[in-house]
Amino acid sequence: DARVTQTPRHKVTEMGQEVTMRCQPILGHNTVFWYRQTMMQGLELLAYFRNRAPLDDSGMPKDRFSAEMPDATLATLKIQPSEPRDSAVYFCASGLWGNSYEQYFGPGTRLTVT
Amino acid sequence: AQRVTQPEKLLSVFKGAPVELKCNYSYSGSPELFWYVQYSRQRLQLLLRHISRESIKGFTADLNKGETSFHLKKPFAQEEDSAMYYCALISYNQGGKLIFGQGTELSVKP
Repeated sequence: DARVTQTPRHKVTEMGQEVTMRCQPILGHNTVFWYRQTMMQGLELLAYFRNRAPLDDSGMPKDRFSAEMPDATLATLKIQPSEPRDSAVYFCASGLWGNSYEQYFGPGTRLTVT
Repeated sequence: AQRVTQPEKLLSVFKGAPVELKCNYSYSGSPELFWYVQYSRQRLQLLLRHISRESIKGFTADLNKGETSFHLKKPFAQEEDSAMYYCALISYNQGGKLIFGQGTELSVKP
């Protein structure tokens, strides 16, 4: 049963530190999404990639967030410098565009910035 | 504008009671809609999609284009149905991204 994996599952860091979150999409999926979940805003799309190329990152604060796909098996989301308002659960999801449009979600990274 | 609205943040029912979680959407064209469920602190899972017209865990949802709604229903709620439910719309002209509603927390009491 193929699943999206994310590391770390939990991260506590101090304000100003760099945070890197990693996602391994399901093998063969060509689209990867990054979402942020907070109590106040619900689920927000931050960025997504198709065939490793960024399609839209308009949901990300550009000055501190960056998202990349160095290869087809790894997507990364970085925050530098981190701020307390970045505290949230960050989900990665992958899907196969052109087949079904279902997105499969990872377990999330729970980030706390103090 | 493409939008999904879930008007209820919290819905509380007793076990065995019928459940209806409301979802309304705004979309130009033929929408494709989904319901995702998130059990406590777990990943989001697809519950059902309107094109499948299937029933999962006793839940059904019918797309009503006239009312632009996709309400999720279950005739008899179970305690294990307690979770967050998200209605979502796929935006084909935005690369296939999902537009989520704010979510409804369903609490089923014994």
